[in-house]
Amino acid sequence: EAGVAQSPRYKIIEKRQSVAFWCNPISGHATLYWYQQILGQGPKLLIQFQNNGVVDDSQLPKDRFSAERLKGVDSTLKIQPAKLEDSAVYLCASSSPASGGPGELFFGEGSRLTVL
Amino acid sequence: GDSVTQMEGPVTLSEEAFLTINCTYTATGYPSLFWYVQYPGEGLQLLLKATKADDKGSNKGFEATYRKETTSFHLEKGSVQVSDSAVYFCALSLVAAGNKLTFGGGTRVLVKP
Repeated sequence: EAGVAQSPRYKIIEKRQSVAFWCNPISGHATLYWYQQILGQGPKLLIQFQNNGVVDDSQLPKDRFSAERLKGVDSTLKIQPAKLEDSAVYLCASSSPASGGPGELFFGEGSRLTVL
Repeated sequence: GDSVTQMEGPVTLSEEAFLTINCTYTATGYPSLFWYVQYPGEGLQLLLKATKADDKGSNKGFEATYRKETTSFHLEKGSVQVSDSAVYFCALSLVAAGNKLTFGGGTRVLVKP
């Protein structure tokens, strides 16, 4: 089966510009996650969707970050305006009870953002 | 809140050496525990897991035992190979928290021939 697809793989922008990342989860996976991984740190959850509803967005900086999952399939994460500290790899993951137990997530390769 | 602490790297080893990466956790509840691995240029992938106390997860020669009394889940491999060079992440999940993963900071392992 196809894995989690993310694009773009790399993006360089200047501070105060905007950027959007796209994720297409594994077919049939109802749960989708966006994680932020700053260099040298572990991934931190930004938002979790169940179908097209938000389960947890407590760590999402809502003044500049937004995410949506229209139709419960693919998802977009947007940052506007970007700050220097947003430089990170943005990981998308998906899961399904049929594809593994709780906590078994399938990750994409990530989108690396550099803010200058 | 829930958290995972793992030993900092990098850990540099020679081929066939014994590897241990320490991991301890704090959780409100009874978590499932995981080790994820990130090989160079690849995405995170599940290495092994354990869902209850005294369970041992194992895969690709790696093992980790869920120790509730010490809140630990240390990763071990008896004889590493160059291909084991990667970043290893310990993580936990709780059903009450929507099964999201909470990760440790990661440990980079470099195996030299």
